[in-house]
Amino acid sequence: TQLLEQSPQFLSIQEGENLTVYCNSSSVFSSLQWYRQEPGEGPVLLVTVVTGGEVKKLKRLTFQFGDARKDSSLHITAAQPGDTGLYLCAGTYNQGGKLIFGQGTELSVKP
Amino acid sequence: ETGVTQSPTHLIKTRGQQVTLRCSSQSGHNTVSWYQQALGQGPQFIFQYYREEENGRGNFPPRFSGLQFPNYSSELNVNALELDDSALYLCASSEDWFGEQFFGPGTRLTVL
Repeated sequence: TQLLEQSPQFLSIQEGENLTVYCNSSSVFSSLQWYRQEPGEGPVLLVTVVTGGEVKKLKRLTFQFGDARKDSSLHITAAQPGDTGLYLCAGTYNQGGKLIFGQGTELSVKP
Repeated sequence: ETGVTQSPTHLIKTRGQQVTLRCSSQSGHNTVSWYQQALGQGPQFIFQYYREEENGRGNFPPRFSGLQFPNYSSELNVNALELDDSALYLCASSEDWFGEQFFGPGTRLTVL
């Protein structure tokens, strides 16, 4: 069974703090995506990583793919209240179309 | 360019009933994937339709069935509803079966 473990499950921080969310699996991904989901909406893709060791930056968000392609992290610098939401990692295996999601990290950034 | 749309937005059913959820894919996309998201959980893959054929199925019982039409829109049917079927049902469309998936806003199903 292919599982994605995401941690932490909940995170409540003050505006301006930094945070890191982790996504781990015992299986090798062909690609990994990070999504952000707001209440009442579907997930919105933030980034896709496909190469082991890859690092991608999106403004204050930094995404890293592990060398062995089994883990990933999302780091947010100087969090803002607008970053509040559910962050989901999702992986694909063997270039398949099925997305395996982690259970999500609920982030709350207080002003 | 119109994004992925889903209908209805919300739905309330009772145990044992049947339900049909609908999804219109984004223009130019030939693949639709369906996911179930229980409260506080990540989405779980139900199945995918590629060019009107089922192209992969998750660990869901046969009472979950689907259809894709020639215009690539799709339906998800659930028979004999159970309380645990209460969830947000998401559909996502992509240009091909392995392409980036774009999600709709979901249908919130409540089973009483």
